Amino acid sequence: QSVLTQAPSVSGAPGQRVTISCTGSSSNIGAAYDVHWYQHIPGTAPKLLIYGNNNRPSGVPDRFSGSKSGTSASLAITGLQAEDEAHYYCQSYDSSLRGSVFGGGTKLTVL
Amino acid sequence: EEQLVESGGALVQPGGSLRLSCAASGFSFSSYEMNWVRQAPGKGLEWVSYINSNNNNIDYADSVKGRFTISRDNAKNSLYLQMNSLRVEDTAVYYCARERDWGNAFDFWGQGTMVTVSS
Repeated sequence: QSVLTQAPSVSGAPGQRVTISCTGSSSNIGAAYDVHWYQHIPGTAPKLLIYGNNNRPSGVPDRFSGSKSGTSASLAITGLQAEDEAHYYCQSYDSSLRGSVFGGGTKLTVL
Repeated sequence: EEQLVESGGALVQPGGSLRLSCAASGFSFSSYEMNWVRQAPGKGLEWVSYINSNNNNIDYADSVKGRFTISRDNAKNSLYLQMNSLRVEDTAVYYCARERDWGNAFDFWGQGTMVTVSS
């Protein structure tokens, strides 16, 4: 079981909007630690999509956005494209475990 | 061009040891905190270990504490993971990841190296 909880899968048609949620607890997201999001296509290096809850690194399209509230965070993807098909992971820091923690990952399928 | 290249992955028997390396280039390696993250087959990402830029602050996941040792050589632009007492459940792709001062976000990752623990 991952410390951060994500739905195993989500799907959407090209052009649609999908959201991926990440639920934590009072020792990680709820303790005001930042949430980050990664895109991972198997066989490649994971890619940072969102850092500090809602910031995009240079080069990441503005179709990707993040938000955080209480003990949860969300990643939204608008204008779905076939190339968005990948696994998405949230990450934060946990004060009880004294280390980074990841969600279990959500597989996005573009129909 | 920034690069992180892992090496050292192999097939090893349970109870054995292995040393992974991560060679950095294209950026000021000594200025960054670094991490190891792994992904077991069919599973998600799991943080393994952290080391700060000066080698004096280190953390480990409970699953590897006491068995794995992280280190770095800033003169050689290299990060290491010494893995002892390996278990079947340590089988995974191991990634090195650079950490920015953006609230511990990992902004750059290597391609990974495969470690298989099996008899």
